[in-house]
Amino acid sequence: AQTVTQSQPEMSVQEAETVTLSCTYDTSENNYYLFWYKQPPSRQMILVIRQEAYKQQNATENRFSVNFQKAAKSFSLKISDSQLGDTAMYFCALMEYGNKLVFGAGTILRVKS
Amino acid sequence: EAGVAQSPRYKIIEKRQSVAFWCNPISGHATLYWYQQILGQGPKLLIQFQNNGVVDDSQLPKDRFSAERLKGVDSTLKIQPAKLEDSAVYLCASSLAAGGPEDTQYFGPGTRLTVL
Repeated sequence: AQTVTQSQPEMSVQEAETVTLSCTYDTSENNYYLFWYKQPPSRQMILVIRQEAYKQQNATENRFSVNFQKAAKSFSLKISDSQLGDTAMYFCALMEYGNKLVFGAGTILRVKS
Repeated sequence: EAGVAQSPRYKIIEKRQSVAFWCNPISGHATLYWYQQILGQGPKLLIQFQNNGVVDDSQLPKDRFSAERLKGVDSTLKIQPAKLEDSAVYLCASSLAAGGPEDTQYFGPGTRLTVL
């Protein structure tokens, strides 16, 4: 069964600094995808970044990058140059190929000015 | 491009009453999803449609929850009768194609249900 664990319920960071959100997961499959979703206080969830398990290169989207450690089943999100608009709930999610998206419990990130 | 629309945004009902939520996906999106997000937890998939057929409803409590997607466009999710533990945000999402991992899901704003 797919499981996703986010061990940090809340994080805070000063504007312009860097923060890393942690995620571990469990799957018995070799082919799967990992995602980070952002849910701002307005509740509309958006996709931040996606990583294919078969790719060794870590995905990057502007200020967002991941550290994907397949053997350790770890998938952390790094946000560089944090902005006030990054304040949101962040969800790590896993999808085995042909299966459903399974979310972690989320990490609340607060960016302080 | 218009996003996923949901209504109502908020609903308060008494336990044992019935309630219905509506979702209009992004135009042209074949796959539609309903998620339940209980406070403090991540969203959990209740049901997935591709066009007007059900792909996955394994986590839908079928004794009280039902969903339909007539004509492969709009969808409604119904709860009858509601229980206290149904208090949650109900999220609708849609995606362009068959719902695989490369098919980005676009989420609506959600409906916050409170059961008293």
